[in-house]
Amino acid sequence: DIQLTQSPSTLSASVGDRVTITCRASQSISSWLAWYQQKPGKAPKLLIYKASSLESGVPSRFSGSGSGTEFTLTISSLQPDDFATYYCQQYNTIGTFGQGTKVEIK
Amino acid sequence: QVQLVQSGAELKKPGASVKVSCKASGYTFTNYYMHWVRQAPGQGLEWMGIINPNGGITSYAQKLQGRVTMTRDTSTSTVYMELSSLTSEDTAFYYCARGRSGYTYDLGYWGQGTLVTVSS
Repeated sequence: DIQLTQSPSTLSASVGDRVTITCRASQSISSWLAWYQQKPGKAPKLLIYKASSLESGVPSRFSGSGSGTEFTLTISSLQPDDFATYYCQQYNTIGTFGQGTKVEIK
Repeated sequence: QVQLVQSGAELKKPGASVKVSCKASGYTFTNYYMHWVRQAPGQGLEWMGIINPNGGITSYAQKLQGRVTMTRDTSTSTVYMELSSLTSEDTAFYYCARGRSGYTYDLGYWGQGTLVTVSS
């Protein structure tokens, strides 16, 4: 099975900060990677698909990049609504998730 | 608009089975894969499996093979996930989620989640 490792596990940041989350795959997954945001008590929300495509309705401050085994999610200017947990998901082979990155207020 | 509405919370004893439903509306049911994802309290997301409503073909996470069964009813646009031989480790929120676009694995629409609690 393909394993995904996210870093960091927790990230403390302030409003306005540029934030980057990394997701590494145990083998190449081409560009078959998605990013999700989850808030407490809610279902996850798709942000990015196919590594770098922005889902409709998602603010442009979110961006994704990478291919092969290394991927990043960047929030260009952190907003109060962005404090949440973020997950990557590979779908090159079925659909495993990373362990999550919690973005908390500094 | 796309909606996925799941059945209500369940309390089950160890060794029992649970069946969770997910009723879809707002799109052509047979044109999109449906996935199931679970999340234990305070933990991360775990992909459980997938069903193609067009034909009913399924694929399950290896960890759950033999315990999980996904089915669909095209007459009511509903998918079901049944998990057997429950243990406390199966206590989790269970989500159905639809592929973003057609037969894809990126999950653009999610149900509200169903809490399954396994306790004696």
